[in-house]
Amino acid sequence: QKEVEQDPGPLSVPEGAIVSLNCTYSNSAFQYFMWYRQYSRKGPELLMYTYSSGNKEDGRFTAQVDKSSKYISLFIRDSQPSDSATYLCATVRSQGNLIFGKGTKLSVKP
Amino acid sequence: GAGVSQSPRYKVAKRGQDVALRCDPISGHVSLFWYQQALGQGPEFLTYFQNEAQLDKSGLPSDRFFAERPEGSVSTLKIQRTQQEDSAVYLCASSSREGGNQPQHFGDGTRLSIL
Repeated sequence: QKEVEQDPGPLSVPEGAIVSLNCTYSNSAFQYFMWYRQYSRKGPELLMYTYSSGNKEDGRFTAQVDKSSKYISLFIRDSQPSDSATYLCATVRSQGNLIFGKGTKLSVKP
Repeated sequence: GAGVSQSPRYKVAKRGQDVALRCDPISGHVSLFWYQQALGQGPEFLTYFQNEAQLDKSGLPSDRFFAERPEGSVSTLKIQRTQQEDSAVYLCASSSREGGNQPQHFGDGTRLSIL
């Protein structure tokens, strides 16, 4: 079992839809969780960064962590074509190196 | 510079050749990480530097891979006697302090193709 599991999609939605992206993880010791966005032929860009359980909101993006079920989510409201990218969930080991999911490819159609 | 800079952006090499990939982290960033991203996969950790010290190289896939950061800023990832399975995007990331709770900022990577 991989330490972070993520459905690779692809996921296609119409413009304006609410998007839900999800990951599970296996090690209850993980404390920090991130969502990165990666456009084609670009490096990952940090979107959201959360500690432990709870919700964090930033504009149209909401990150949610449920440590009891080892489940992390990213919601995108009012999705735009410019949101079309691959979304990577990640957690971090104590020494700092990130563990990523496979990434979910999202396409938002105008 | 404003962000993490990697060069070259693209590298094509013949099997058996040696290659060197460069990373310029954000100025003043203490921690530097190298990751390998295969097609359709998330990045996978290779190695970690805190200043000039290589503290973790557990992700390097073989002894053909070598990384250095001699003055605690620019880093080079070297791959000797390249194989086709080395074809991937090599990403560099830096963060401002040591420790697991610091956000990492990524460069756009070097896309390596081994023929």
